[in-house]
Amino acid sequence: DGGITQSPKYLFRKEGQNVTLSCEQNLNHDAMYWYRQDPGQGLRLIYYSQIVNDFQKGDIAEGYSVSREKKESFPLTVTSAQKNPTAFYLCASAGGGYSNQPQHFGDGTRLSIL
Amino acid sequence: KQEVTQIPAALSVPEGENLVLNCSFTDSAIYNLQWFRQDPGKGLTSLLLIQSSQREQTSGRLNASLDKSSGRSTLYIAASQPGDSATYLCASANQAGTALIFGKGTTLSVSS
Repeated sequence: DGGITQSPKYLFRKEGQNVTLSCEQNLNHDAMYWYRQDPGQGLRLIYYSQIVNDFQKGDIAEGYSVSREKKESFPLTVTSAQKNPTAFYLCASAGGGYSNQPQHFGDGTRLSIL
Repeated sequence: KQEVTQIPAALSVPEGENLVLNCSFTDSAIYNLQWFRQDPGKGLTSLLLIQSSQREQTSGRLNASLDKSSGRSTLYIAASQPGDSATYLCASANQAGTALIFGKGTTLSVSS
């Protein structure tokens, strides 16, 4: 079955530590996105990528980094510069370009501070 | 900058009731409007997508409408069931291939 796989499901970060969240899709989608969800805040865009080796900052990119070396993969690193990383992180993909298809979401990674 | 608002934040109804969830947006120049469902601790599931040239879309008991001139979309759920209990999110895409701008959602509880 085609879909988006996020791992791990739960992640704990120590002070001063960088952690990486994995996102893999087998939908052959060009565009991939990372959102952060906080209680009562809705989803906010961290980074997005419309093509391999290219990505753009979203509204809350500070303290995060991404790479897009393969079409299928869009990992997100939460760096020690992100002072409030506790949240639910959602990865999504879409056909890109002028595709008028819905975004597909993974099941999320819940990040907490130890 | 586009802003998406959903009212009410929470809604409780008895089983069998028809209901409407509301979504408003400030910039009418949208590419499409999407409705999603989110169960607790899970990702989002796409329900309906309305292209900017369309007025409504239907899937089973769900019907979504779009009125760009008034900056509004509604999600109509017919004959609600306890299994419909979830958070419903609307989101606008302002250009092709760009990220979505989300409302904060309406949490629906359907009691049996």
